[in-house]
Amino acid sequence: GENVEQHPSTLSVQEGDSAVIKCTYSDSASNYFPWYKQELGKRPQLIIDIRSNVGEKKDQRIAVTLNKTAKHFSLHITETQPEDSAVYFCAAMAGGTSYGKLTFGQGTILTVHP
Amino acid sequence: AAGVIQSPRHLIKEKRETATLKCYPIPRHDTVYWYQQGPGQDPQFLISFYEKMQSDKGSIPDRFSAQQFSDYHSELNMSSLELGDSALYFCASSLGETGELFFGEGSRLTVL
Repeated sequence: GENVEQHPSTLSVQEGDSAVIKCTYSDSASNYFPWYKQELGKRPQLIIDIRSNVGEKKDQRIAVTLNKTAKHFSLHITETQPEDSAVYFCAAMAGGTSYGKLTFGQGTILTVHP
Repeated sequence: AAGVIQSPRHLIKEKRETATLKCYPIPRHDTVYWYQQGPGQDPQFLISFYEKMQSDKGSIPDRFSAQQFSDYHSELNMSSLELGDSALYFCASSLGETGELFFGEGSRLTVL
């Protein structure tokens, strides 16, 4: 089955700096890669996603890049703000017989210091 | 806009008891997923349903069962509860099996 590795597990930045979180996946049939932001005790909220026919996608301060050959994708947050502090999860949607199932990375605790 | 509705939001049970969680997907969404998230862990896929049929199964214990009803709502039944079942249980729905997943607020189960 699909395996998603996420790094780093914790990330601390100063307000205004950029933050980068990286993920790798194992199933070459995976074709949908969402990123979720989760605050303590709350539900995961989709912040950006990318499909395998696109290499990069941007939404204001957030961007995601995908390298299908290397099977890795990254989240980039620019001009970070204290309210960006949360746990971020990458995920990959499996292909083949597990079509539609999301496998999550281990999560990154992002702390943005004012 | 309507979101995924989960009930109950909080549930406290004793060991060996039974619990049932309910999920009402976004209207017109035909796919429902159940995830379990332990403290400090990533969400773990349990089971999914597409058009009322089980479409995939993950790390769901045999003590757990689930189904999707004719109105597309889903229920997760958990029996012989163990301390390790204490977690946040999220339901998510999507339109089709490749659509964006929308998560509910979650049901927090505490087993004492």
